[in-house]
Amino acid sequence: AQKVTQAQTEISVVEKEDVTLDCVYETRDTTYYLFWYKQPPSGELVFLIRRNSFDEQNEISGRYSWNFQKSTSSFNFTITASQVVDSAVYFCALGAGSYQLTFGKGTKLSVIP
Amino acid sequence: DTGVSQDPRHKITKRGQNVTFRCDPISEHNRLYWYRQTLGQGPEFLTYFQNEAQLEKSRLLSDRFSAERPKGSFSTLEIQRTEQGDSAMYLCASSHPGIDSNYGYTFGSGTRLTVV
Repeated sequence: AQKVTQAQTEISVVEKEDVTLDCVYETRDTTYYLFWYKQPPSGELVFLIRRNSFDEQNEISGRYSWNFQKSTSSFNFTITASQVVDSAVYFCALGAGSYQLTFGKGTKLSVIP
Repeated sequence: DTGVSQDPRHKITKRGQNVTFRCDPISEHNRLYWYRQTLGQGPEFLTYFQNEAQLEKSRLLSDRFSAERPKGSFSTLEIQRTEQGDSAMYLCASSHPGIDSNYGYTFGSGTRLTVV
């Protein structure tokens, strides 16, 4: 069975602070994919990144960066110099063994101006 | 193509009534998925279609739920005899069966169902 744990339910930061959202996953599959999605108040899920299990290179995209560590089954997401527009619920998700995604419960990020 | 469309955006219904939601995927996407998201939770998988064939169904999809995708284009999700526990956001997603398409979903904006 697949499982994704996002231990942080809610995080509040002041604008321009850096923030890291944690994600820990469980799977017995050796081939799998990890994702982060953003869900603003409007409700749609916005794709941020996909990584496969064979690529542990960290990735940076503008103010966003992702740290994938297979040794600790973690796929953490860091926002540098946070902005009010970053306020949303962020979901980590795992795809393995079938076409369905297993999502974590999400972390609500509030960036205070 | 403007993405995955879902209709209606919001639905309020009385307990015991039947409701039907529609999803129009991106036209070249042959895979279509339904997820349910309750308040404070992540989306949970309900079912998956490849073209018109329903290939996977979650245990969450009780006998009161039925999904169809006639002709492999749009899909409908019907809930019969709605219960208050059915109140949730119902999300549709589609993906293209390309080489690098693993889980390359595009989600719609969802249909928010409230059962009163």
